[in-house]
Amino acid sequence: GENVEQHPSTLSVQEGDSAVIKCTYSDSASNYFPWYKQELGKGPQLIIDIRSNVGEKKDQRIAVTLNKTAKHFSLHITETQPEDSAVYFCAAVPGTNAGKSTFGDGTTLTVKP
Amino acid sequence: NAGVTQTPKFRVLKTGQSMTLLCAQDMNHEYMYWYRQDPGMGLRLIHYSVGEGTTAKGEVPDGYNVSRLKKQNFLLGLESAAPSQTSVYFCASSYPRPSSGRSSYEQYFGPGTRLTVT
Repeated sequence: GENVEQHPSTLSVQEGDSAVIKCTYSDSASNYFPWYKQELGKGPQLIIDIRSNVGEKKDQRIAVTLNKTAKHFSLHITETQPEDSAVYFCAAVPGTNAGKSTFGDGTTLTVKP
Repeated sequence: NAGVTQTPKFRVLKTGQSMTLLCAQDMNHEYMYWYRQDPGMGLRLIHYSVGEGTTAKGEVPDGYNVSRLKKQNFLLGLESAAPSQTSVYFCASSYPRPSSGRSSYEQYFGPGTRLTVT
């Protein structure tokens, strides 16, 4: 089955700095890669996603890059703000079965004011 | 729309007791999922359903059963609770067909149920 590794497990940055979280996956059948943000006491919420036919996608301060050959994808947050502090999860989803999502173990991001 | 709701929010069980967690969604989504979240281990898929009347096993199905009798509801059952099932349980739903403005595979999560088995 699919295996998703996420690094780092914790990340602390100063407000205004950039943050980068990286994930690798093993199954070449995966073709959809979402990123979720989970705030304390809440369920995860999608913040950005990318499909395997696209190399990069950007939404304001958030961007995701995908390298299909190397089987890795990354989340980039620029100009970080204290409200960006949360746990971030990556996931890999095979196109043939959307039910088989595999999540990374999460990254706890702390943005210090 | 309420989105995805879960009941109860908290529950404490003794070893061997049974219970059912209820998930409801009002977005007419086809797919529904049950995950458990343990510290440092992310989200692990327990069971999922691709439509009313269907269920399938996920990564960690042992000790759990599910039912999807109605499209909007997905029930997770623990027949004989064990301390290893202490966790936070999340339900999610998604709509596999393309929809305007959002990815068709986006999962919408409920607020979670914190279960402790003593």
